Amino acid sequence: QKEVEQNSGPLSVPEGAIASLNCTYSDRVSQSFFWYRQYSGKSPELIMSIYSNGDKEDGRFTAQLNKASQYVSLLIRDSQPSDSATYLCAVKSRGGTSYGKLTFGQGTILTVHP
Amino acid sequence: ETGVTQTPRHLVMGMTNKKSLKCEQHLGHNAMYWYKQSAKKPLELMFVYNFKEQTENNSVPSRFSPECPNSSHLFLHLHTLQPEDSALYLCASSATGQYQETQYFGPGTRLLVL
Repeated sequence: QKEVEQNSGPLSVPEGAIASLNCTYSDRVSQSFFWYRQYSGKSPELIMSIYSNGDKEDGRFTAQLNKASQYVSLLIRDSQPSDSATYLCAVKSRGGTSYGKLTFGQGTILTVHP
Repeated sequence: ETGVTQTPRHLVMGMTNKKSLKCEQHLGHNAMYWYKQSAKKPLELMFVYNFKEQTENNSVPSRFSPECPNSSHLFLHLHTLQPEDSALYLCASSATGQYQETQYFGPGTRLLVL
C-alpha cells in the first residue's frame, strides 16, 4: 500500500466550477498535512497546510482533514484556467523524534478548461 | 535574492563525469533537504540536514554525496551516475526541521545523464 495515495487524474473541470482533490494516507500517527501546487517544469509551491480535523479556508481554497478516516482533501472554488497544474498532497509524520519525514503522493493533474 | 535558489538549473553529464549541485536558502532556516522527482513518480526524499547535521539518508546510492557546510548552503555531489538518475533534483528548507513546519522549495536542477 502506498503511504500517500492520490488519484493521478487528469481531473478536468470547467471554469468557475469546484475542483475536488482527494488524498488518503496510511500512517495513523501523521500529524501535518500539506497541499502543494506544481506547474509543469516548475517546483512545488505551498497552497495550504492543515493540522487539525475539520476545514481550513484560504481564499478560493479549502482544505479538509479527517484523521479518523485518514483522508485529506482540497477544494478549489471558482476554478480558473490558471489553476491548471499538478496538486501534490504531502503528509508528515512525527515518528520517534522531533523531526518528521515528508511523504508525497504522486500528484493529481488538474485541468480547468474555459 | 530571496527564498531558495539552486544552480545550475539544467545539467547534462556523462556517466563518468563528476558534478555538483548547489542550493542556497535566504530564509534563515536551519533544515535543508534534497528531493528527487522522476517522471510519473512521487517526490522522493533523499537527504535531510538539521543544523548542518545529516538526520536522514533515505537509502540513497553512494554515487550521490551531500554536503552541508553551513545552514544556508547545501550541495549534492554527483559521480558515476546512471541514466536512470536523470530527474529533477529539488532542494527545500524549513525553519528547524520540526514535523509541523512548511518546507519551501527551490526551482530545481533538471539533470540528464547520458
